[in-house]
Amino acid sequence: DGGITQSPKYLFRKEGQNVTLSCEQNLNHDAMYWYRQDPGQGLRLIYYSQIVNDFQKGDIAEGYSVSREKKESFPLTVTSAQKNPTAFYLCASSKAGTSNQPQHFGDGTRLSIL
Amino acid sequence: GQQLNQSPQSMFIQEGEDVSMNCTSSSIFNTWLWYKQDPGEGPVLLIALYKAGELTSNGRLTAQFGITRKDSFLNISASIPSDVGIYFCAGHDRGNAGNMLTFGGGTRLMVKP
Repeated sequence: DGGITQSPKYLFRKEGQNVTLSCEQNLNHDAMYWYRQDPGQGLRLIYYSQIVNDFQKGDIAEGYSVSREKKESFPLTVTSAQKNPTAFYLCASSKAGTSNQPQHFGDGTRLSIL
Repeated sequence: GQQLNQSPQSMFIQEGEDVSMNCTSSSIFNTWLWYKQDPGEGPVLLIALYKAGELTSNGRLTAQFGITRKDSFLNISASIPSDVGIYFCAGHDRGNAGNMLTFGGGTRLMVKP
């Protein structure tokens, strides 16, 4: 089945530690996105990538980093510079090109501070 | 970034009731999307709308792309317990390059005790 796989489902971070969240898709989508969701809130865009080896900052990129070395993969690193990392992180992908392509989401990773 | 104004923020439903929610924007949108999110999971696409005035159904769900292109509505008929969750509207702003989505804050549906 085609889809988006996020791992791990739950992740704990110690003070001063960097952690990496995985996102893999087998939908052959060109574009991938990372969102942060806080309790009772909507989705805020962290980073996005329209094509391999290229990515752009979203609305809340500070304290995060990404890479896009392969079409299928878009890992997100939450660095120690992100002082409030506790949240639900969602990865999405879509066909690129025109602006009418829906985004499809993974099942998320919940990150907590130890 | 811009957020869509989605209302109501939350509502209680009793089984069998019809439910309505809406989203408004200050700018014109090319596309409106409606997603549902269950606890601890990612949003799932319910309905996609591409033309002003378009009315599209998915089972008991019906959504409309407003004529002004600045709003959209989602109706759920004869609600059942599994309708509980958070519903998000999202859209492509006509002024936005690429495929970026703007999201509403969500409508939380809960069962009336």
